[in-house]
Amino acid sequence: AQSVSQHNHHVILSEAASLELGCNYSYGGTVNLFWYVQYPGQHLQLLLKYFSGDPLVKGIKGFEAEFIKSKFSFNLRKPSVQWSDTAEYFCAVTPGTGGGADGLTFGKGTHLIIQP
Amino acid sequence: DAGVIQSPRHEVTEMGQEVTLRCKPISGHNSLFWYRQTMMRGLELLIYFNNNVPIDDSGMPEDRFSAKMPNASFSTLKIQPSEPRDSAVYFCASSLGTGGYGYTFGSGTRLTVV
Repeated sequence: AQSVSQHNHHVILSEAASLELGCNYSYGGTVNLFWYVQYPGQHLQLLLKYFSGDPLVKGIKGFEAEFIKSKFSFNLRKPSVQWSDTAEYFCAVTPGTGGGADGLTFGKGTHLIIQP
Repeated sequence: DAGVIQSPRHEVTEMGQEVTLRCKPISGHNSLFWYRQTMMRGLELLIYFNNNVPIDDSGMPEDRFSAKMPNASFSTLKIQPSEPRDSAVYFCASSLGTGGYGYTFGSGTRLTVV
């Protein structure tokens, strides 16, 4: 079975700082990787996903993530954060053969607070 | 597209009562997932369906939990009898099931069992 580890449970940054949230997964086969964001009191929204091809994936709101297969990592980055990025961020994985027919396994999440 | 629709948004019930959560997936999506979110355990996959057929219910915590998907546009998650430790936010998600289109989540049902 697959698992996901997010190293930082809480991150506090000032506006305009650069962001990198770590995500490592454990699974022996091909994987599909996702980052979701959950704003306070809201549902999960997809930021970006990786299925194949270019390991550098660009998502919405200026976020990007890089899949490094040798490190089993899929870290989320943003060059300059805004106050509105305050939210909970979840990394998730599913077996690559499923294509959306298998359930997601989530990390525990990283609570990001951006100070004005 | 209205997205994944869950009802109710909030539910407060007394211990021992039956609770039914409802989900309408996005039209055309053939996979449906139920997740539970708590502070202690994060997001857990409870059960999922492909083409209305339950595929994996290994995440369902106990026999008190059951889920059905009688047709492509409706699913229920039932807890009978409910207990305080069932208090959580329950999310439903749907996906196209093929081609890597990703998953769309509903707004969730916040369940409080007192």
